[in-house]
Amino acid sequence: ETGVTQSPTHLIKTRGQQVTLRCSSQSGHNTVSWYQQALGQGPQFIFQYYREEENGRGNFPPRFSGLQFPNYSSELNVNALELDDSALYLCASTLRNAQETQYFGPGTRLLVL
Amino acid sequence: TQLLEQSPQFLSIQEGENLTVYCNSSSVFSSLQWYRQEPGEGPVLLVTVVTGGEVKKLKRLTFQFGDARKDSSLHITAAQPGDTGLYLCAGEKVGTYKYIFGTGTRLKVLA
Repeated sequence: ETGVTQSPTHLIKTRGQQVTLRCSSQSGHNTVSWYQQALGQGPQFIFQYYREEENGRGNFPPRFSGLQFPNYSSELNVNALELDDSALYLCASTLRNAQETQYFGPGTRLLVL
Repeated sequence: TQLLEQSPQFLSIQEGENLTVYCNSSSVFSSLQWYRQEPGEGPVLLVTVVTGGEVKKLKRLTFQFGDARKDSSLHITAAQPGDTGLYLCAGEKVGTYKYIFGTGTRLKVLA
């Protein structure tokens, strides 16, 4: 148990729809990163939030957006879903400036039909 | 652009054998982590290495960080079926808190 939780665990959507995924960080962690992991591949960095602001972004289009709340929980929003968005979405939390490593949640499995 | 290359991509061995997984890059990392991931679950942290040349041991697993902090290896002694899984390395880009993941090594240990 890492103390990082994600919801929902599984989700099925159709092309063009919008989805919101949620992540609760480990207690005391102020930084959260989101990753997309396609089947058979390593996780790809989407973006990171620190103190409620986006702090770096990977090669993902603007229809991938996020939020971090004062309690450091976070959301990942994806608009205009495409078939290729089907993947395991992972969030990871860490405590910046404390040489704390990042800990992953169990992920949300998204299937876009 | 994949900055971290892992090899081999797939490995199937018999119980009791030894194996080494490599993680290589042309970039320097502040730290490097190794994870193991089971199907449908998030990666579970095995170890973090920070200092160039550092060696860490976790029971039958030995992790090494290259002197130049560009590469790492994971060695498993006397592999067991319970070691089966996807092994991922992840490097922390210098000056950031962002991690780049390797391509992964899928290990299967046969009883």
